[in-house]
Amino acid sequence: AQKVTQAQTEISVVEKEDVTLDCVYETRDTTYYLFWYKQPPSGELVFLIRRNSFDEQNEISGRYSWNFQKSTSSFNFTITASQVVDSAVYFCALSDQTGANNLFFGTGTRLTVIP
Amino acid sequence: DVKVTQSSRYLVKRTGEKVFLECVQDMDHENMFWYRQDPGLGLRLIYFSYDVKMKEKGDIPEGYSVSREKKERFSLILESASTNQTSMYLCASSLRLAVSYEQYFGPGTRLTVT
Repeated sequence: AQKVTQAQTEISVVEKEDVTLDCVYETRDTTYYLFWYKQPPSGELVFLIRRNSFDEQNEISGRYSWNFQKSTSSFNFTITASQVVDSAVYFCALSDQTGANNLFFGTGTRLTVIP
Repeated sequence: DVKVTQSSRYLVKRTGEKVFLECVQDMDHENMFWYRQDPGLGLRLIYFSYDVKMKEKGDIPEGYSVSREKKERFSLILESASTNQTSMYLCASSLRLAVSYEQYFGPGTRLTVT
């Protein structure tokens, strides 16, 4: 069964600090996808990134970067030089292989960036 | 632009009422999903549908039913609302044959059952 663990329930940082959100997953599938979503106070989940299990290259997009390590089953998300607009709940998710395109979500990490 | 809309942002209902939550997507997606989000529990899948008139139970279907009569619309029904169904409800959609599994979400409906 798929499982996603986000051990950090809440994190607070001061603006301009770097912050890393942890995500650990469990799966028996050899092919799978990992996702990060952002949920700002408005409530709508916003897609940030998708990673397939065969691509372990780290990815950088502006101030965001993702570190995927199959050896430790982790897919961590780092925000560099955090800004107040980064304050949100961040969810890590894992796909399944049933063909129904289901996603399994972690419990989320609430990030507060203090000005 | 990708668009998933939900009929209400906030809803207050009484215990025992029948409640309908509506979700509409304009992306011609085959798959549609209903989740509930509770603090400390993340998103939990209630039901999903991969085609018109088709439905599958998710992790927590008890107390809920769904209806998909048209491709773009997926309704969540609380047959007899109870206080433990007070929650945020999120609808999502995705392409059925998409390898990427990416789901697009609506803004959510915050339901309070009193």
